[in-house]
Amino acid sequence: SQQGEEDPQALSIQEGENATMNCSYKTSINNLQWYRQNSGRGLVHLILIRSNEREKHSGRLRVTLDTSKKSSSLLITASRAADTASYFCATDASGANSKLTFGKGITLSVRP
Amino acid sequence: SAVISQKPSRDICQRGTSLTIQCQVDSQVTMMFWYRQQPGQSLTLIATANQGSEATYESGFVIDKFPISRPNLTFSTLTVSNMSPEDSSIYLCSVEDRFSGIVSYNEQFFGPGTRLTVL
Repeated sequence: SQQGEEDPQALSIQEGENATMNCSYKTSINNLQWYRQNSGRGLVHLILIRSNEREKHSGRLRVTLDTSKKSSSLLITASRAADTASYFCATDASGANSKLTFGKGITLSVRP
Repeated sequence: SAVISQKPSRDICQRGTSLTIQCQVDSQVTMMFWYRQQPGQSLTLIATANQGSEATYESGFVIDKFPISRPNLTFSTLTVSNMSPEDSSIYLCSVEDRFSGIVSYNEQFFGPGTRLTVL
């Protein structure tokens, strides 16, 4: 079964706006990772946040993790048309020995 | 992070045939994995490729259908055997590097994927 569930399933915004995507999961985790996939190509690793971290930044990306609510959010600030892609969260469950479980993904469209 | 390449990048195959996909990493890595992404779907782990031993398969995937080799720490192959249209998917390899000396947090990096269409 899916461990991570992202919402919304699809998001359309104007260039320059911020995009917020959420991920919820069911069991305890070691870490949570966010990936981007452009047009059915390979996955690009965006950021990893550990279970003992609450917030992490990388360029225009900001990820938060709330283990009490079993949820994470990915914020992309000042979005660009090139940010148009599918975004996935993946969880590494405690004791799962490297297995990642992916959510269904969010389709982000950034209009020029 | 390691640079990962896959061959072929895409292929169109006839049902009943087999296709072998290669995954090459530019440095030694501890763990290598194979995933399948069916059209419009998320990623599902097929198996963990173990160096020098049989792969560890996830529920629903069997060695006869998806034989995997990993002869060394930089290379792995996945074969999709006796293909049917239901095997049309993107197949991705990923790696996790524990040689960096930093405690691993299971950070995985993916190859560019192989888009397979079975007619």
